[in-house]
Amino acid sequence: KNQVEQSPQSLIILEGKNCTLQCNYTVSPFSNLRWYKQDTGRGPVSLTIMTFSENTKSNGRYTATLDADTKQSSLHITASQLSDSASYICVVSVLSGNTPLVFGKGTRLSVIA
Amino acid sequence: GAVVSQHPSWVICKSGTSVKIECRSLDFQATTMFWYRQFPKQSLMLMATSNEGSKATYEQGVEKDKFLINHASLTLSTLTVTSAHPEDSSFYICSARAPAGGPDTQYFGPGTRLTVL
Repeated sequence: KNQVEQSPQSLIILEGKNCTLQCNYTVSPFSNLRWYKQDTGRGPVSLTIMTFSENTKSNGRYTATLDADTKQSSLHITASQLSDSASYICVVSVLSGNTPLVFGKGTRLSVIA
Repeated sequence: GAVVSQHPSWVICKSGTSVKIECRSLDFQATTMFWYRQFPKQSLMLMATSNEGSKATYEQGVEKDKFLINHASLTLSTLTVTSAHPEDSSFYICSARAPAGGPDTQYFGPGTRLTVL
């Protein structure tokens, strides 16, 4: 069964600190993996997208890694800001037909002053 | 990047009425659009896949007669919640598949908050 598991479920960190969010998946055949940021009451916004051959990709203070062998990904946030408070969702795309997406339940990050 | 809009952003309606939500791809043509529903503190759940000019494909458990989807053009898909009930209150999000040429990806709209009284 195609699944995406994220940890931790929620996280509270102080402003300025770094943090790393984890994503494990059992999706086959694999097309790509994306990390989205979803603010409360808003739609998800893409942060990074990685294909099978990519190990790391950065977008500003966000750096995503992908280990296709162990089927693990991480999202590292550097020098967190209050505006980083949101849900971060790991999504894996299945390589078939309409390339359906398999969503993780997200990690709720709260950055406090 | 590609932009997807939704209208309205929020709507409150009485039980038994119908509500239409629009999803538009503003700067690209989307042959495929997707409709999701998200309950509080839950992840997005795919409701249906909408291909331009053809009938939508609904996920198991989603009533096609209750959630009417129309994808009449390459930039517009609509979701109509018919005879809405309080249990239909949710956050509805659409996405549009990006045009070919890059990694296959979907761009999400900002969502529509539906509250049925």
